[in-house]
Amino acid sequence: QSALTQPASVSGSPGQAITISCTGTSSDVGGYNLVSWYQVHPGKAPKLIIYDVTDRPSGVSSRFSGSKSGNTASLTISGLQAEDEADYYCNSYTSSSTLVFGGGTQLTVL
Amino acid sequence: EVQLVESGGGLVEPGGSLTVSCAASGFTFSTYNMNWVRHTPGKGLEWIASISSDGTFVYYAESMKGRFTISRDNAKNSLYLQINSLRVEDTAVYYCARGFLTRGFGVWGQGTMVTVSS
Repeated sequence: QSALTQPASVSGSPGQAITISCTGTSSDVGGYNLVSWYQVHPGKAPKLIIYDVTDRPSGVSSRFSGSKSGNTASLTISGLQAEDEADYYCNSYTSSSTLVFGGGTQLTVL
Repeated sequence: EVQLVESGGGLVEPGGSLTVSCAASGFTFSTYNMNWVRHTPGKGLEWIASISSDGTFVYYAESMKGRFTISRDNAKNSLYLQINSLRVEDTAVYYCARGFLTRGFGVWGQGTMVTVSS
């Protein structure tokens, strides 16, 4: 199972919105509404911010939103804040009953 | 407080074996599926394996089959990952995480570092 494809890096200014893409295949992203997104700050454990493509766990800011079209899922962060600077990873359930992660995207807040 | 605490990491020579553990507290461990995920600077996050709440079902990433074994002891509220024939590329922070493969992992431990080097 190949890793999902994410851009290596994205950047944005405070207050702006950015979108991170996550591209897979019909055997993972495209086949199921079971994409999750994680935020990882350096030296810290991952934090779940989106599950089931669009749902936010309790306590996660509404500035984070998810969507999907075909084999590509997307994470949008609106109203960028300095504390959003982190690495972001998507993952998807697969037709083999496994899980595959994306390669990660480094977000820089300018 | 819901908590997962990993232990057992360290420096291991290539070809060696290691078992990392995860102690759970603050929730009914026996009712949750559990998982192991590792984080490396080069590859990012990699899912390793998942085990059902009663230990009946286990799932592995294709690339992890054969050398990695996930297990649990519900009486001890503990999760384990045995790694055999360790390779330099297994060097990573190993995390345990609570949750179903299909619903996201909402609770993570702080991780334990495994370094494979001669």
